Amino acid sequence: DIQMTQSPSTLSASVGDRVPITCRASQNISTWLAWHQQKPGKAPKLLIYKASTLETGVPSRFSGSGSGTEFTLTISSLQPDDFATYYCQQYNSYLYTFGQGTKVEIK
Amino acid sequence: EVQLVESGGALVQPGGSLRLSCAASGFTFSNHWMHWVRQGPGKGLVWVSRIDADGSSTDYADSVKGRFTISRDNARTTLYLQMNSLRVEDTAVYYCARERVGMPDYWGQGTQVTVSS
Repeated sequence: DIQMTQSPSTLSASVGDRVPITCRASQNISTWLAWHQQKPGKAPKLLIYKASTLETGVPSRFSGSGSGTEFTLTISSLQPDDFATYYCQQYNSYLYTFGQGTKVEIK
Repeated sequence: EVQLVESGGALVQPGGSLRLSCAASGFTFSNHWMHWVRQGPGKGLVWVSRIDADGSSTDYADSVKGRFTISRDNARTTLYLQMNSLRVEDTAVYYCARERVGMPDYWGQGTQVTVSS
């Protein structure tokens, strides 16, 4: 199975901060990577797919980059609604695997 | 509007069985592969199973292979997960998810399965 590793596990930030979250794959997955946002008690929500394509309706402050084994989700200016846990997920293989999550907390 | 609504979660003893359902609406259900993904208490997301659009092909995570069966009824636009020989480690919120171009794009709100004596 392809292992996905995110860093950091927890991140404390303030409204307006630029926030980068990193995801590393254990093998080359090209750009078959998605980012999901999850709030407590809620279903995950797709933000970005194919490493850098913004899902319809997702604010433009979210962006994704990377290919191969190194990927980054960036929130350009953190908003109150963005405090949540973020998961990367590879779909190079049908055996989807997810990162362990990055919790973005209020500083 | 795409909607996925899971049901069927419950408290069950180890060794017991449960069938989860996921009622889909707002899209052409029979055109999409569907998945089950679970999340243990305080843990991350783990893929469980998938089924192709007409129900003829299925795949499972090793941890559930031989115990869980995924199926679908396209006429009823409903996805199922039959879970047998349940273990304590199967305790989780179970989400159904729609697949679009290879990745999950919509998720249900989840249903809680607790396996405990």
